[in-house]
Amino acid sequence: NAGVTQTPKFRVLKTGQSMTLLCAQDMNHEYMYWYRQDPGMGLRLIHYSVGEGTTAKGEVPDGYNVSRLKKQNFLLGLESAAPSQTSVYFCASSDRGPWTGELFFGEGSRLTVL
Amino acid sequence: EDQVTQSPEALRLQEGESSSLNCSYTVSGLRGLFWYRQDPGKGPEFLFTLYSAGEEKEKERLKATLTKKESFLHITAPKPEDSATYLCAVPEARGGQNFVFGPGTRLSVLP
Repeated sequence: NAGVTQTPKFRVLKTGQSMTLLCAQDMNHEYMYWYRQDPGMGLRLIHYSVGEGTTAKGEVPDGYNVSRLKKQNFLLGLESAAPSQTSVYFCASSDRGPWTGELFFGEGSRLTVL
Repeated sequence: EDQVTQSPEALRLQEGESSSLNCSYTVSGLRGLFWYRQDPGKGPEFLFTLYSAGEEKEKERLKATLTKKESFLHITAPKPEDSATYLCAVPEARGGQNFVFGPGTRLSVLP
């Protein structure tokens, strides 16, 4: 039972390069989220989706784009990476949204931008 | 502004030494408070949800309680395998999809 799978787990980019992080969940969840986690700070929401074909901005969306073409996949893109985007990125999914359902997290993708 | 703070930032306990972690929040109209455990290099793992003041939930050596302003995670007779970072989170007040997460308490239990 895979749950939430993120790829890649590690990546090093140079400033200005682009990349895509892939999140896949096998629990048939409607809600999917991308968070970033930085030392000393709580998880912060970048973008989220409440269903296939939908996306919305979270707390810190600048510099990121997302797509949810299939229900099980949620992609996070960085068009022109900046050192400030060095972070650990977590994808999460939920079947009932934030008020009644807990989040299921992937194991994270550690991104370093030089 | 919705805010969640946790204390202490780090806690070292001897095996068997009970203690409590604190999560304070300033969110109007609380719609639930969530506790997660995060192991190094892993994603957070759900522990508990509390919905109303006075509510308590237990799981093995952990017990979570909730008041109108804060939540406590009590750890009774901890073992080294309880070492992890414990996060709390609340749904944001304005009804969006966001959780407001605290920075976490890093717990180390020494044998």
